[in-house]
Amino acid sequence: DVKVTQSSRYLVKRTGEKVFLECVQDMDHENMFWYRQDPGLGLRLIYFSYDVKMKEKGDIPEGYSVSREKKERFSLILESASTNQTSMYLCASSLIGTGPSYEQYFGPGTRLTVT
Amino acid sequence: AQKITQTQPGMFVQEKEAVTLDCTYDTSDQSYGLFWYKQPSSGEMIFLIYQGSYDEQNATEGRYSLNFQKARKSANLVISASQLGDSAMYFCAMREGQRNNNDMRFGAGTRLTVKP
Repeated sequence: DVKVTQSSRYLVKRTGEKVFLECVQDMDHENMFWYRQDPGLGLRLIYFSYDVKMKEKGDIPEGYSVSREKKERFSLILESASTNQTSMYLCASSLIGTGPSYEQYFGPGTRLTVT
Repeated sequence: AQKITQTQPGMFVQEKEAVTLDCTYDTSDQSYGLFWYKQPSSGEMIFLIYQGSYDEQNATEGRYSLNFQKARKSANLVISASQLGDSAMYFCAMREGQRNNNDMRFGAGTRLTVKP
């Protein structure tokens, strides 16, 4: 079974703190993704990475950065957390390749609250 | 522009009955894929079913089937014989074209509640 794990299920941080969300996958997938999920908006892509040290911006990268130093690990960083970053954060991974059929495998999510 | 539209924020269905969750999409690509995911209250997204744009037959996976109407750009999920465990959020998603698979777009989701 594909396993995508996230470091925390629930996290509470204060405004201005630096926040790290960690994601690890064990299926040797090339692609890794970070989404945020908000009610009524579905999932929105923050960043994705298709290789170690490679990253591309998604739809809503502002206020976030990412790091991928090892193939299996993809970190999302909130440099200075703000209350509007309170959300559910989902990590996903998939095989690389052209063609539309590659599904993404998701982690359990991290519910982040910024106070 | 919204690529994936799910017009039903919430749906109710009686246990053992069938239910259809609507999804329409917008693309100019000829090659694309459509996905449905289930998200229980635990939060994890579970892949349910996939339909390719060139697939001539509707996809089926157990009690799940995808009613694919290409000309209407709709990809509705049909769940037959609903079970209490089907209560969850359901997301429709699309990936376009032949590039690396970063362009997956999700709808806003439909919350399905199965009544006993």
